[in-house]
Amino acid sequence: GDSVTQMEGPVTLSEEAFLTINCTYTATGYPSLFWYVQYPGEGLQLLLKATKADDKGSNKGFEATYRKETTSFHLEKGSVQVSDSAVYFCALSDLGAAGNKLTFGGGTRVLVKP
Amino acid sequence: ETGVTQTPRHLVMGMTNKKSLKCEQHLGHNAMYWYKQSAKKPLELMFVYSLEERVENNSVPSRFSPECPNSSHLFLHLHTLQPEDSALYLCASSRDLDGWNEQFFGPGTRLTVL
Repeated sequence: GDSVTQMEGPVTLSEEAFLTINCTYTATGYPSLFWYVQYPGEGLQLLLKATKADDKGSNKGFEATYRKETTSFHLEKGSVQVSDSAVYFCALSDLGAAGNKLTFGGGTRVLVKP
Repeated sequence: ETGVTQTPRHLVMGMTNKKSLKCEQHLGHNAMYWYKQSAKKPLELMFVYSLEERVENNSVPSRFSPECPNSSHLFLHLHTLQPEDSALYLCASSRDLDGWNEQFFGPGTRLTVL
């Protein structure tokens, strides 16, 4: 079945540091890939997405590129802020499956210190 | 009010109680979802509804009973729960079941079963 693996946290960084969160996936079909973010006390929000190989999703300074050859969708940000402290989830939606089913990774908690 | 709302935000119940979680979406979407978020486990999809019809039930115990009276409302009825059912229950909606469509999440109900 489908699965998503992402690095375990917590990841602790200083403000303005470079952030990378690794994500790899396995899927039977042709998935769309997503990064969701969960701020404390809130639900998940879509951060960015990519729907086909070599697509790059970007939002709020975050980027991720859909790499089919390495089945990866790593999240990067060049200069993090304290407000980026949150839990980040990598997810896939497999178009071969019945309906819009998101398979999530375990989440990576990021803490940015001033 | 916009987006996806959930009530109550926090719930404490005993194992013999019966309670219900409510989700409402104001986005005009046709698909709604229940997820369970437990500590140190990936998000688990519980139920999927499309146009008020259940299209997915991921082997969820019968002590969880969903109800979707219309495309804007989704309930999760709870009875005789176990302490291991304590978790954050997230509701989401999407325009339809197409894998490209973003899922919008509510803030969740934090459930504690004593």
